[in-house]
Amino acid sequence: DAMVIQNPRYQVTQFGKPVTLSCSQTLNHNVMYWYQQKSSQAPKLLFHYYDKDFNNEADTPDNFQSRRPNTSFCFLDIRSPGLGDAAMYLCATSGRVSENEKLFFGSGTQLSVL
Amino acid sequence: GQNIDQPTEMTATEGAIVQINCTYQTSGFNGLFWYQQHAGEAPTFLSYNVLDGLEEKGRFSSFLSRSKGYSYLLLKELQMKDSASYLCAVRGKTGANNLFFGTGTRLTVIP
Repeated sequence: DAMVIQNPRYQVTQFGKPVTLSCSQTLNHNVMYWYQQKSSQAPKLLFHYYDKDFNNEADTPDNFQSRRPNTSFCFLDIRSPGLGDAAMYLCATSGRVSENEKLFFGSGTQLSVL
Repeated sequence: GQNIDQPTEMTATEGAIVQINCTYQTSGFNGLFWYQQHAGEAPTFLSYNVLDGLEEKGRFSSFLSRSKGYSYLLLKELQMKDSASYLCAVRGKTGANNLFFGTGTRLTVIP
């Protein structure tokens, strides 16, 4: 089945140790997103790619970077994780920029920072 | 800015009907989405409204009033598997796919 796949499902890192989360999609969608969702909070958009065009949200910390080497893959790099970065990270895709275009989410990576 | 409000928690009985409300104040409006999210899993799409009125899809219906900045999700014939968080999300800007999410309503269905 076509889908959005995130690996790993659970990731543990140490304070200050760089970590990379990965996302792949078989939907051939143009747009890929990274959301951060802390416990009992709303998913918060960090950034998105429209093809190779990178769009950063104004309040996304510089500590968060992203790469999209091709249509299928997108990575979230956290350069120096802090305790406050522990959260669920959700990758999502959509086919085009259109009002009724829904987002397809991966199952998320739960990041713990020790 | 964006502000989306939903009740934090609700409880309902199996077989009953429950309505989950969402109010929003956003800079621009280009559609409202409802997603279901089971604990530890990805949000899954339930419904989309861009015009005023009711959209029905099986046991789930969603209503929108743009003038009131208000939507609700109606779940009928509740099943135990409907226990989940229900997220209201608004697309604010024309031409942008960004969705702004509410914090979600955690629904517990009891026997």
